[in-house]
Amino acid sequence: DGGITQSPKYLFRKEGQNVTLSCEQNLNHDAMYWYRQDPGQGLRLIYYSQIVNDFQKGDIAEGYSVSREKKESFPLTVTSAQKNPTAFYLCASSPGQLFSGNTIYFGEGSWLTVV
Amino acid sequence: AQSVTQLDSHVSVSEGTPVLLRCNYSSSYSPSLFWYVQHPNKGLQLLLKYTSAATLVKGINGFEAEFKKSETSFHLTKPSAHMSDAAEYFCVVNKGTSGTYKYIFGTGTRLKVLA
Repeated sequence: DGGITQSPKYLFRKEGQNVTLSCEQNLNHDAMYWYRQDPGQGLRLIYYSQIVNDFQKGDIAEGYSVSREKKESFPLTVTSAQKNPTAFYLCASSPGQLFSGNTIYFGEGSWLTVV
Repeated sequence: AQSVTQLDSHVSVSEGTPVLLRCNYSSSYSPSLFWYVQHPNKGLQLLLKYTSAATLVKGINGFEAEFKKSETSFHLTKPSAHMSDAAEYFCVVNKGTSGTYKYIFGTGTRLKVLA
């Protein structure tokens, strides 16, 4: 079945540590996105990418980095510069152009907790 | 500027009674509008989407929404709630100006279904 796979589901980060969240899709979608979700809030855009080797900062990119070396993969690194990283992270993809109004498909999410 | 407002953060209904989740949007242009559902610790799943083809949109699991331009609303309804409908629901608008498109997520409405 086609879909988006995020791993790990739960991750713990120590102070000063970088961690990477994996996102893989087999939907053959060009556009991919990373969102952060905090309790009681909507989703906020971290980074997005239209094609391989090209990505753009979203609304809350500080303390995060991404890469897009393959069409199907869009990993997110949460760096030590992100001072409040505890949140639920959602990877998404959509066919065609970024933000074009096409349906966005989401992964199951990853919980990141600072310990 | 464009935004989306979900008027209720929590809604409780009895099983078998109607569901109404309210969403208002502001947009300079005719938007694309979506409703997504999120079960605990899961990703978001598309319920339905409006893209100007018809003002009454039918979605999965018996949900539907009506686009009312004069009221700038896109309320989600279901005639009879089921226990499995208990989840969080997000209204999303997609549109922008001069190429600066993005998806705007509401802050969510948590639906509780009482036995």
